[in-house]
Amino acid sequence: NAGVTQTPKFQVLKTGQSMTLQCAQDMNHEYMSWYRQDPGMGLRLIHYSVGAGITDQGEVPNGYNVSRSTTEDFPLRLLSAAPSQTSVYFCAISKTGSDTQYFGPGTRLTVL
Amino acid sequence: QQQVKQSPQSLIVQKGGISIINCAYENTAFDYFPWYQQFPGKGPALLIAIRPDVSEKKEGRFTISFNKSAKQFSLHIMDSQPGDSATYFCAASNKGTYKYIFGTGTRLKVLA
Repeated sequence: NAGVTQTPKFQVLKTGQSMTLQCAQDMNHEYMSWYRQDPGMGLRLIHYSVGAGITDQGEVPNGYNVSRSTTEDFPLRLLSAAPSQTSVYFCAISKTGSDTQYFGPGTRLTVL
Repeated sequence: QQQVKQSPQSLIVQKGGISIINCAYENTAFDYFPWYQQFPGKGPALLIAIRPDVSEKKEGRFTISFNKSAKQFSLHIMDSQPGDSATYFCAASNKGTYKYIFGTGTRLKVLA
């Protein structure tokens, strides 16, 4: 998980609570993305960013917000958590011109 | 909408045997096909990848076979070892879009 850190590692929320999952990188890679991983579903793209100030929706964006004010950080916000958002969340980075994605260690989120 | 179908869901192989995991895709615009390896509690890590201009790519004990006309690609793990026990994901993307579609994963167990 070279150069990609995610915090927290584990989190339990109650329905309706809000929180921010943090992703930070020290590799100066332009592209950052968020995935969620659910049993039998593989990884699904939530949001992604091709650089500071630029974000776009992925496959499953509903219920999540993102912003990218710096190259290093790409936080994922849950404004009103729902049990359906119980999942493992991964942040990934990639350098422009390279197809290789580096994944962070993940955040396991449980919404009760 | 699942655009990359992966099989089998789970696989048990004896040490020294060959592990074969298959994926099929629908979108003919995809032009990059990586395989990721994921150990429990860790993020996925790129294992090997192929582009459609070649039919096979080999890196050590890992080989990707690609059939463009059938829209299928597969991962072969030769001389499988207990340390290869992990979950494997195939994926596909369009070059430069940084939007990856993942398969649902295959849990491989190599018996000692």
